[in-house]
Amino acid sequence: QVQLAESGGGLVAPGGSLRLSCAASGFAFNDYYMTWIRQSPGKGLEWISHISPSGSTLYSADFVKGRFTTSRDNAKNSLYLQMTSLRAEDTAVFYCGRGGRGFSYGQIDYWGQGVLVTVSS
Amino acid sequence: EIVLTQSPGTLSLSPGERATLSCRASHGITSNYLAWYQQKPGQAPRLLIHGASSRATDIPDRFSGSGSGTDFTLTISRLEPEDFAVYYCQQYGSSLWTFGQGTKVEVK
Repeated sequence: QVQLAESGGGLVAPGGSLRLSCAASGFAFNDYYMTWIRQSPGKGLEWISHISPSGSTLYSADFVKGRFTTSRDNAKNSLYLQMTSLRAEDTAVFYCGRGGRGFSYGQIDYWGQGVLVTVSS
Repeated sequence: EIVLTQSPGTLSLSPGERATLSCRASHGITSNYLAWYQQKPGQAPRLLIHGASSRATDIPDRFSGSGSGTDFTLTISRLEPEDFAVYYCQQYGSSLWTFGQGTKVEVK
């Protein structure tokens, strides 16, 4: 069965860095778009980025450009989110999700359980 | 960026009633690439509808999606106790995906 498991969250000081990982299993990882979504406490869902199956195409939300970098390693069936210059407002649960393949690839049909990132001194 | 506005913010209904949720886009959504998700407290979202009207795998047929262009609707024909949750729409017709702010369906 499809499984996505995020790791790497925790408490980090403002200005610090953190790298989240998402381990995928149960499907052909290198066939699917993957995405990062976050949810601040008590708030709605916020798209961060999505990356093509080969990793050659990446789109990111304006608010993270220059600070967050998304990548993938298809040999390791893993998705990553490198975050730098973290701010208090980045505190959130971060989810990785599986998109689709082909022309319609934006629906997120599987989600990880989420990992909490807290930015605080 | 396409902005999605969901209404109402909160919908207070009783089990067995019909729920109608709206999602309006600031610009037309290419190919009606709009999805709906359900989220319960402490859980990850679950995909309900994609392509505006196609039910995802194992989603009960009391959930239906409709609409095109800039106006989309999620309908729950008869609310079951497990349907009380927050619902989000998401567009993926542009390179920059966006979510609506959510509609909470609560027990009246």
